[in-house]
Amino acid sequence: QVTLRESGPALVKPTQTLTLTCTFSGFSLTTPGMCVSWIRQSPGKALEWLALIDWADDKYYRTSLKTRLTISKDTSKNQVVLTMTDMDPVDTATFYCARSTASYYFDQWGQGTLVTVSS
Amino acid sequence: DIQLTQSPFSLSASVGDRVTISCQASQDIRNGLNWYQLKAGKAPKLLIYNTFNLETGVPSRFSGSGSGTDFRFSINSLQPEDIATYYCQQYDSLPLTFGGGTKVEIK
Repeated sequence: QVTLRESGPALVKPTQTLTLTCTFSGFSLTTPGMCVSWIRQSPGKALEWLALIDWADDKYYRTSLKTRLTISKDTSKNQVVLTMTDMDPVDTATFYCARSTASYYFDQWGQGTLVTVSS
Repeated sequence: DIQLTQSPFSLSASVGDRVTISCQASQDIRNGLNWYQLKAGKAPKLLIYNTFNLETGVPSRFSGSGSGTDFRFSINSLQPEDIATYYCQQYDSLPLTFGGGTKVEIK
């Protein structure tokens, strides 16, 4: 059974750096073809794909947020970490991590974690 | 980046109706389109992948079609539990992108 769970702070202040962790089970990021992405949904807005890391440690980012995002993995802990710098209130969102293969469809998702940016 | 334009923004239909959502890509994405269902307070759910393949366990009233830049998602007989927002997502090229979503309501 595949599960993913997001964890991190519920509240961050403007200009701070957000660090989120996705802890997963039921698959390995050392398996060829496996990928984990981060996706967010701001209140009342559409889903936004943010970043992806694959089994080969290749990393891809949303163009408009490329300078603020870093994705990394710890295969020994089955974790993927996303950092987002210079947080702003417009970054308030529910952040999801999701699994895909190299076909890039997200077949398993975490429940999401709500991050509010406010002073 | 590839832009996905979904229409309509929202729709209201009766139980048993057939509803169709459109997703238009800004460039040819071949068959690289997936569809998701998002209900309030729940994780998004994959319904259709590779344009027309039904994910395991998804009811057969859901279907997808299209190619190139024009794609469609249909619910053959709308059920009360289908109330949700539906999103298309392209994977033909990175960065991955989602459509703007279509909210489906019961009339």
